[in-house]
Amino acid sequence: DIQMTQSPSSLSASVGDRVTITCRASQNIRRYLNWFQQKPGKAPNFLIYATSSLQRGVPSRFSGSGSGTEYTLTISSLQPEDFATYYCQQTYSDPPTFGQGTKVEIK
Amino acid sequence: QVQLQESGPGLVKPSQTLSLTCTVSGGSISGGTYYWSWIRQPAGKGLECIGRINASGRTNYNPSLKSRVTISVDTSKNQFSLKLTSVTAADTAVYYCATGEIGGPDDFDIWGQGAKVTVSS
Repeated sequence: DIQMTQSPSSLSASVGDRVTITCRASQNIRRYLNWFQQKPGKAPNFLIYATSSLQRGVPSRFSGSGSGTEYTLTISSLQPEDFATYYCQQTYSDPPTFGQGTKVEIK
Repeated sequence: QVQLQESGPGLVKPSQTLSLTCTVSGGSISGGTYYWSWIRQPAGKGLECIGRINASGRTNYNPSLKSRVTISVDTSKNQFSLKLTSVTAADTAVYYCATGEIGGPDDFDIWGQGAKVTVSS
């Protein structure tokens, strides 16, 4: 299986901050990388697919980039509703695997 | 808009079989080229893909669970189901059904609300 490693595991930030989360794959996943947001007690919400394509309805403050084994999710200006846990997921090879999550908390 | 809803027992005894059903509404399980997936999440932990099935019954399972998992589809009821045998406490988790409308089979843009399953005697 392809291992996905996110950093940091958690971070504290203030409203308006720029936040970047990194996801590293154990091998080249050729931009087959998705991002999800999950709030407590809720199912994950699909944010970004294929590294940088924004899912319909997702605010433009979210963006993704990367290639090869290194990918990033950026929130340009953190909003109160963005405090959540974020997961990356590779879909390059079976089984699809997720990172361990990055919890974004209020500073 | 397709919606998914999990159902099944919330408590399963060790060594028994966990059984969950996902009901598809707002669309046909046979429509399009959808794959229908099961994903689980132990409390406070990350997400693990269990496996997927398409309307024709073609399945793919996570090798780590393959010996214990069966996913099936009932097109007449617009449902697909998960069976996990010989469960232990390590199988305690929230189980989600999910599918992808916009891209590949693992681009999960539609999720059920989740079913919490506890394995305990």
